[in-house]
Order: sequence, then structure tokens, then C-alpha cells
Amino acid sequence: IAGITQAPTSQILAAGRRMTLRCTQDMRHNAMYWYRQDLGLGLRLIHYSNTAGTTGKGEVPDGYSVSRANTDDFPLTLASAVPSQTSVYFCASMEREEAGELFFGEGSRLTVL
Amino acid sequence: GQNIDQPTEMTATEGAIVQINCTYQTSGFNGLFWYQQHAGEAPTFLSYNVLDGLEEKGRFSSFLSRSKGYSYLLLKELQMKDSASYLCAFMDSNYQLIWGAGTKLIIKP
Repeated sequence: IAGITQAPTSQILAAGRRMTLRCTQDMRHNAMYWYRQDLGLGLRLIHYSNTAGTTGKGEVPDGYSVSRANTDDFPLTLASAVPSQTSVYFCASMEREEAGELFFGEGSRLTVL
Repeated sequence: GQNIDQPTEMTATEGAIVQINCTYQTSGFNGLFWYQQHAGEAPTFLSYNVLDGLEEKGRFSSFLSRSKGYSYLLLKELQMKDSASYLCAFMDSNYQLIWGAGTKLIIKP
């Protein structure tokens, strides 16, 4: 089934540990995004990539990094996790940056203790 | 600056009609989106408006007034499965989506 796959689905992590959330899409979409969703707040953009080989910072990039080595994969890395990074993380893709319709992965629930 | 606002929670009765409003402010605008998100799940696309007016899609309709910075999502013949959060977002001049906090819709029998 075509779509976006995220891993892990859920993770509990000790503060200070490094963590990579994986995201893979098979729709050959150019644009990919990482959002975090917290109760009472809208989805907030962490990082994005409009095409393979390029990345950009979103609204809340501090403490996170991304890479886009190819079209399909867009991993998000927390270099040294902190409790404020406890959240649900969604990876999403769009055919191209101006297309409009976002396709979301199922989300990764991360708890940092 | 940019901002977007929608009610936190609404309650409606099964079979009825409900209108969820969304207001926004931005200097650059490339469309208004509505997404549905059931608890514990990912958001799914409902509608996209870039021109003023009403777009109808089955039981759901979405309206946009660019001059007023206003949109609404209209849900008709409400069903229990419509209980969800409804997210409003606009696309800014950099083609980034700016999201509202979502409206939790509770459907009562």
C-alpha cells in the first residue's frame, strides 16, 4: 500500500540520549516535512525538504536535525533528547511544495524522561 | 505577522448540521485547507480553497472569503464517526502550512 511509513510507533527515551525517527515514502513526492503535535497547539513544523538534497528549518528546529539523501527517506534526529521534546511526531509529504495536499505517516509518540 | 484561530471544542447532535469557523491573518496566501484527525490517528485531507466561495464534497462543504480572512467547514447529516478534531491551515507565501490548534467536534446521539 503506497504511503508514508514511520518508525518507531512509540518510544520511551532517557534524557540526553540520541534518537532517530525514520520516515519513508513510496509516492515519489518531492516535498517532505516533520511536524510535532502537542495538546492545545497546532501542528508545528520542525524541518522540511522541498527536494532531495535540500533541507530547511521550520518554526521549531532547535534540537533537531534532518537529512534528505534521496527522494524516499527523511529521518529526523534528536542529538540529545530533552523532556520538552516529548510529543507526537508526524512525517508528511506533498507531491511538490505548492501542491497543497499533505499525506501523513501514522505518527511516532516519543516520551523523554 | 501570521496567525490562525478556530474554536477549541464544539458539540452537535447526530443528524444535525454544524459549522466550524476559522479566521486567519497573513500577508501572503496560497490557499486554505481543512483536515480531519481522529483521536490517536494522523490528519487526513478534507478540502482546499484558494478562491472565494463554497466548495461542496458530499456531506462536507468548505467556504472561503479571502478579503475577510475567514473560512468555515460545514458538516451535514452528522454521523457519530464525524467525532474528531478538525484542523484549519493556510498556506503562506513560502508554501508553508500554518496550522490552527484544531476544533474538537463531539457528536451526541
